[in-house]
Amino acid sequence: DGGITQSPKYLFRKEGQNVTLSCEQNLNHDAMYWYRQDPGQGLRLIYYSQIVNDFQKGDIAEGYSVSREKKESFPLTVTSAQKNPTAFYLCASSLRDTNQPQHFGDGTRLSIL
Amino acid sequence: GQQVMQIPQYQHVQEGEDFTTYCNSSTTLSNIQWYKQRPGGHPVFLIQLVKSGEVKKQKRLTFQFGEAKKNSSLHITATQTTDVGTYFCAGPNTGTASKLTFGTGTRLQVTL
Repeated sequence: DGGITQSPKYLFRKEGQNVTLSCEQNLNHDAMYWYRQDPGQGLRLIYYSQIVNDFQKGDIAEGYSVSREKKESFPLTVTSAQKNPTAFYLCASSLRDTNQPQHFGDGTRLSIL
Repeated sequence: GQQVMQIPQYQHVQEGEDFTTYCNSSTTLSNIQWYKQRPGGHPVFLIQLVKSGEVKKQKRLTFQFGEAKKNSSLHITATQTTDVGTYFCAGPNTGTASKLTFGTGTRLQVTL
């Protein structure tokens, strides 16, 4: 079954700790994205990647880092520099074209301990 | 930068009433996409509109793309409790292939 898998579903971060959110897709999509969603809010783009070994900052990249070593994988690290990390994080993928829809994973809910 | 706004932010209707959400972009769009996010879930793609003035229907949902390709609307006829969720429009970011700018969203609540 093709799709996007995010893990873990829930994650707790201690002060000063870096945490990594996993995102894997088997849709053979070139483009992948990370969004942050705060309660009752829209989607804000953190980072995106249109091809392996290349990625660009989105609108709110500060305090986050990513890598794209494989086409299938686009992990997001929330660093200790991100002072307000509590949010719902969504990973998405699409074909590399402006007319293509994005497919989303189930998301990871991150909270501060 | 490009901005995509939606109104209203929230609407509460009785089951059977109609519902409309409006989407306005600060820039002309090559296409507009609509997504639905159920409470606690993730956005799911509903439809894409490409042509100026285009109208598409999916059962009780009617989607429209404005003549100037800067606005769009989603109308639901005779809402049902299964329509509950947040509806987002999204348009391609000018100059960046595949990147989308999502609208602010309209949350729909339907009660019996």
